[in-house]
Amino acid sequence: GAGVSQSPRYKVAKRGQDVALRCDPISGHVSLFWYQQALGQGPEFLTYFQNEAQLDKSGLPSDRFFAERPEGSVSTLKIQRTQQEDSAVYLCASSFDDSNQPQHFGDGTRLSIL
Amino acid sequence: GESVGLHLPTLSVQEGDNSIINCAYSNSASDYFIWYKQESGKGPQFIIDIRSNMDKRQGQRVTVLLNKTVKHLSLQIAATQPGDSAVYFCAEFTGGGNKLTFGTGTQLKVEL
Repeated sequence: GAGVSQSPRYKVAKRGQDVALRCDPISGHVSLFWYQQALGQGPEFLTYFQNEAQLDKSGLPSDRFFAERPEGSVSTLKIQRTQQEDSAVYLCASSFDDSNQPQHFGDGTRLSIL
Repeated sequence: GESVGLHLPTLSVQEGDNSIINCAYSNSASDYFIWYKQESGKGPQFIIDIRSNMDKRQGQRVTVLLNKTVKHLSLQIAATQPGDSAVYFCAEFTGGGNKLTFGTGTQLKVEL
């Protein structure tokens, strides 16, 4: 498809398990972003890649959160030792470059930690 | 699915009326703004953007107004349709940065 694709759409995990969330950006988009959206709130920035370089990870809430984009296209957000407060929708967005261009979002992964 | 718009300000309009959704942004250095529409269970969908050197921009049935003096942004939707029902977010970029900062969001409900 032409849009940002995220998988899985839903993920249920037990507290303490590790999870991995995948994002396929729009083909040719240099910049990739991860956001976290709690219920009833706007998305909050987690991290940003330009090609394979992670240029900003200031929004990652703890060192349990790790993101990578090794070949400059697909990205994975990994959460280790999940906790209940990690339950949220994780959104991925991409843009053509990083100079104030619209970011286009996927439909997110809804993560529930039991 | 779960509602995106729980506990958000709500604007109810009649089908066919015009809608105005307002947003106050926080950073006077912000230089690029985007309005997004988010339906339940989906990601934010780009509607329209505006740069800080403009005060008005029009799209198809939508107009964005920017007042930098009072740090205010508005989205006007003409002839509102049931398909416009969603949560609307404004988002800002600051000073050449790359991360969006989203506003609180407004739930738009279109009544038939």
